[in-house]
Amino acid sequence: GQNIDQPTEMTATEGAIVQINCTYQTSGFNGLFWYQQHAGEAPTFLSYNVLDGLEEKGRFSSFLSRSKGYSYLLLKELQMKDSASYLCAAGDSNYQLIWGAGTKLIIKP
Amino acid sequence: IAGITQAPTSQILAAGRRMTLRCTQDMRHNAMYWYRQDLGLGLRLIHYSNTAGTTGKGEVPDGYSVSRANTDDFPLTLASAVPSQTSVYFCASSELAGEYNEQFFGPGTRLTVL
Repeated sequence: GQNIDQPTEMTATEGAIVQINCTYQTSGFNGLFWYQQHAGEAPTFLSYNVLDGLEEKGRFSSFLSRSKGYSYLLLKELQMKDSASYLCAAGDSNYQLIWGAGTKLIIKP
Repeated sequence: IAGITQAPTSQILAAGRRMTLRCTQDMRHNAMYWYRQDLGLGLRLIHYSNTAGTTGKGEVPDGYSVSRANTDDFPLTLASAVPSQTSVYFCASSELAGEYNEQFFGPGTRLTVL
C-alpha cells in the first residue's frame, strides 16, 4: 500500500531550529513535496525534491533520501509565524500526490 | 480573479440534498484536483482532471462526480449528501499533470451534512 508517515505534533522555541521528518512508501516515486498550512487556510507550496540531497531556500531546507524513503524539512531561526501544519506529499507512479496527515508545529516564545 | 476561487466558503446541508461546490482558476492550468481534508487524515484525492474534457477517479470518489467542460472550471457535485461527507474541500490546480506538478490550492469549502 501507499503510506506517508510524519509526526503528529512538534514544539519548538522561537529562534531555534526544528527538523520535521517524513517517511514514505509509494508505488513508484515522482518527487517529494512539502507544503505549509496555517489553521483555517489552504496549503501553500514550500519545496520539492526529486534527487537525493539537500535543497536550501532561505530559512527552509528540505532533504531527500530515495533509497531510504525518507525526507525532512528543516526550519531555521524559527519565527512565531512559522506556527502551522507542515504537510509531506509524495508523487506516485501516476503522478498523483499521496499526502501525510501533517505535522502541527507549535512555536513558543 | 487571481489564482483559484471556491464557492461557497461554507455550507450546512441536509442529508439527501444535492450540492455543487464550485471551483474556478484563472492561471490557465491544465490539471485540476478535488481533495477532502479531515482531522487526523492527509488530504485525500476525490477526482482529478489532467486536461479539459477528461476526468479521473482518485482515492475516495464514491458519492461525488465532476465535470471539466473548459479549462477554468471544475465543479464537484454531491448527488445525495451523507453525514460522512462532512469535511473541508479543497480544489487545486497545476500547470501540467505529471512530474513536478506543484499544486496551487483554493481557500476551501467547509461543508457540514446533517
